[in-house]
Amino acid sequence: DAMVIQNPRYQVTQFGKPVTLSCSQTLNHNVMYWYQQKSSQAPKLLFHYYDKDFNNEADTPDNFQSRRPNTSFCFLDIRSPGLGDAAMYLCATSRDTGTPSYNEQFFGPGTRLTVL
Amino acid sequence: AQSVTQLGSHVSVSEGALVLLRCNYSSSVPPYLFWYVQYPNQGLQLLLKYTTGATLVKGINGFEAEFKKSETSFHLTKPSAHMSDAAEYFCAVSDGTGGSYIPTFGRGTSLIVHP
Repeated sequence: DAMVIQNPRYQVTQFGKPVTLSCSQTLNHNVMYWYQQKSSQAPKLLFHYYDKDFNNEADTPDNFQSRRPNTSFCFLDIRSPGLGDAAMYLCATSRDTGTPSYNEQFFGPGTRLTVL
Repeated sequence: AQSVTQLGSHVSVSEGALVLLRCNYSSSVPPYLFWYVQYPNQGLQLLLKYTTGATLVKGINGFEAEFKKSETSFHLTKPSAHMSDAAEYFCAVSDGTGGSYIPTFGRGTSLIVHP
């Protein structure tokens, strides 16, 4: 089955220690997104890639970076995690962003990040 | 700019009772509307979506939603709640603002189902 996979499902890191979260997809979608979701809150879009074009949200802290080496994979790098970065991180994909019929998002199961 | 308001952060129902989760949107153009469900420690799963055409949309797990333009609403309903429906539900809207159809999510409503 075509799907969005996130690894690991649970990640524990120390304050200030860089961490990388991974997302892969078998849907062959053009767009990959990273969301941060804190408890009982809406998912907050951090950035997205349209193919190789990176699109950062205006309020995403510089501490968050992303890489997309190929169509299938996308990584979220947190350079110096703080306690406030503890959250669920969701990866999603869609075929397009500029075409309404292709904007349905498909989500991975998420990675829950704990910062000690 | 598009936005979504979900009334009620928590909704509690008895098993077998009607489920009604409220969503109101703000958009300057005809919107595309979505409902997603999120189970604990899982990602979001699409329940249903409205694009164009029929205003009553049927989704998975017995859920449906009706687009009412005059009320700018897209409320989610299910005739009879099941214990397995307990989850977080998110309404989302996209309208092509700035050429992008990336959806904006509401804050979510937690559905609690009592035996």
